[in-house]
Amino acid sequence: NAGVTQTPKFQVLKTGQSMTLQCAQDMNHEYMSWYRQDPGMGLRLIHYSVGAGITDQGEVPNGYNVSRSTTEDFPLRLLSAAPSQTSVYFCASSYSGGWTATMNTEAFFGQGTRLTVV
Amino acid sequence: AQTVTQSQPEMSVQEAETVTLSCTYDTSESDYYLFWYKQPPSRQMILVIRQEAYKQQNATENRFSVNFQKAAKSFSLKISDSQLGDAAMYFCAFFTGANSKLTFGKGITLSVRP
Repeated sequence: NAGVTQTPKFQVLKTGQSMTLQCAQDMNHEYMSWYRQDPGMGLRLIHYSVGAGITDQGEVPNGYNVSRSTTEDFPLRLLSAAPSQTSVYFCASSYSGGWTATMNTEAFFGQGTRLTVV
Repeated sequence: AQTVTQSQPEMSVQEAETVTLSCTYDTSESDYYLFWYKQPPSRQMILVIRQEAYKQQNATENRFSVNFQKAAKSFSLKISDSQLGDAAMYFCAFFTGANSKLTFGKGITLSVRP
């Protein structure tokens, strides 16, 4: 019963380096998303996916790439890290098998990744 | 696009007392869900309570209840008999299937005084 597994928990990068934050879920959820959390800003949506092969931009997509080749995995790539990307990142997944009034839309979150770019 | 507003950045409550956290939202959709999430120092996001917009009855989960005013687009969380373990950041969130986005407010930090 793993739920949403997000790795790593902590990471320090140098400016210009690239890295991938991993996210995997075992609940067969179609909907997956990435958020960043900054003090006083709440959680802001970076990218999201409503199913394998389908991704879309959220509120703050610049500097990040995503792909969704399988239902289970939704990695987030930082192509060239910048100090402004220092943040806590959360991956989330939820069921979205069609919009009905009775669907369970609870989002399950990973443990978060604290990323520091120096 | 939907927006969620939590105007109070911090609140404090005495242990065993009741506290209400405010949240307003803006949307043109008629079908949606509203949530309150708790984030303790461990950073884990924990669902506290959920309200379906089509339900007129306010949701309740043990010591947690909401006051959902659909016409006013207001969704406040009441915590009764506050406990030290309730100290955390609380986020109000909105979801609609129209665009499959879960939108969060900026959060409120709740402290509980012993």
